[in-house]
Amino acid sequence: DAKTTQPNSMESNEEEPVHLPCNHSTISGTDYIHWYRQLPSQGPEYVIHGLTSNVNNRMASLAIAEDRKSSTLILHRATLRDAAVYYCILNKETSGSRLTFGEGTQLTVNP
Amino acid sequence: GAVVSQHPSWVICKSGTSVKIECRSLDFQATTMFWYRQFPKQSLMLMATSNEGSKATYEQGVEKDKFLINHASLTLSTLTVTSAHPEDSSFYICSASIPGILYGYTFGSGTRLTVV
Repeated sequence: DAKTTQPNSMESNEEEPVHLPCNHSTISGTDYIHWYRQLPSQGPEYVIHGLTSNVNNRMASLAIAEDRKSSTLILHRATLRDAAVYYCILNKETSGSRLTFGEGTQLTVNP
Repeated sequence: GAVVSQHPSWVICKSGTSVKIECRSLDFQATTMFWYRQFPKQSLMLMATSNEGSKATYEQGVEKDKFLINHASLTLSTLTVTSAHPEDSSFYICSASIPGILYGYTFGSGTRLTVV
């Protein structure tokens, strides 16, 4: 499986935008880029996913580099409830549809 | 929509006993469910993939006789930790694919197992 690299931790201030980077230099053409987040003592929560084009939903935006070797999850206005571990995951169509979690980025949001 | 309900949220059991964790898809049919384990300060590790009506597929290093998985219906999968020991204490999480979102997944809220 292609590997992703994320910073261990990031900090943000409340109501400011947050850009969470993810490198995936060995991504293949059929890999989807998924983002999930996990709040303390809870199961992960789907945030967003994309293949080639940038994506927006009510939670966040996903910016995908033209060569697809990196992507950025954008939280437009961070709130205290956004403090979580954010996971960037590649999912191959042929992998049996299973998600492999890396270490993720621990986001701290300061009031 | 696409909610997975996991019970219990926490359980304490004595060493040597068995514990069953249930995972139900409330408003959709889950052909495939996944079971993960997460130790403190670590990421999620996939234990097994559970398919309705067939035997589960276990990841390398996961004892299938210790972690019994049953997926008898399209809305229910169970994980039974047999003869639990303190080292089995962990956070167990189930997951199912989200209908309509290609390769998207929804997760249960997790079960904190403590073996004493």
